[in-house]
Amino acid sequence: DVKVTQSSRYLVKRTGEKVFLECVQDMDHENMFWYRQDPGLGLRLIYFSYDVKMKEKGDIPEGYSVSREKKERFSLILESASTNQTSMYLCASSPGTGGYTFGSGTRLTVV
Amino acid sequence: AQRVTQPEKLLSVFKGAPVELKCNYSYSGSPELFWYVQYSRQRLQLLLRHISRESIKGFTADLNKGETSFHLKKPFAQEEDSAMYYCALSGGYQKVTFGTGTKLQVIP
Repeated sequence: DVKVTQSSRYLVKRTGEKVFLECVQDMDHENMFWYRQDPGLGLRLIYFSYDVKMKEKGDIPEGYSVSREKKERFSLILESASTNQTSMYLCASSPGTGGYTFGSGTRLTVV
Repeated sequence: AQRVTQPEKLLSVFKGAPVELKCNYSYSGSPELFWYVQYSRQRLQLLLRHISRESIKGFTADLNKGETSFHLKKPFAQEEDSAMYYCALSGGYQKVTFGTGTKLQVIP
């Protein structure tokens, strides 16, 4: 019954590494989103996409990029991981209207 | 700019007591408001949205445009209501802004 799948539940990476977080949805949704979730800060939008090969910056895009080559897949890329990018990363998708469906999250630790 | 404020980081209530989780928003247009919930070790999920005007798990929320509020209420708290609650606002392109969250702790 899983609708939004994030490839890794936990990741540990070294400072300076390039990191790929993958997200796949099977609901044929147009819109996909990447958020990071930090205690006391809530969810902050990194990037979103409302169509294949389209991307828009969210509120905190610095240090991140994204790729959407297929409708069902939205990847988040950390070009050079830093310790301040240690966080829980949440992927979500939505149809044209209505609420989000979230993945289970990827807890990334950068050491 | 759109902003969502949840003033309480933690709300503790006794089982059977009424619950009110506060949410205020700032948005220049007509917003769509949501409440999301995250139970322990589960994914974030939609609880309710204002346009549906429905009650989910005994929770209701009314949009008050005059006070720019969307408080979440339940008359009698249950232990299984303990969770993290996020208020959220949708502007253009389905871009949703979340509040910082309120942890609800229901004491047996």
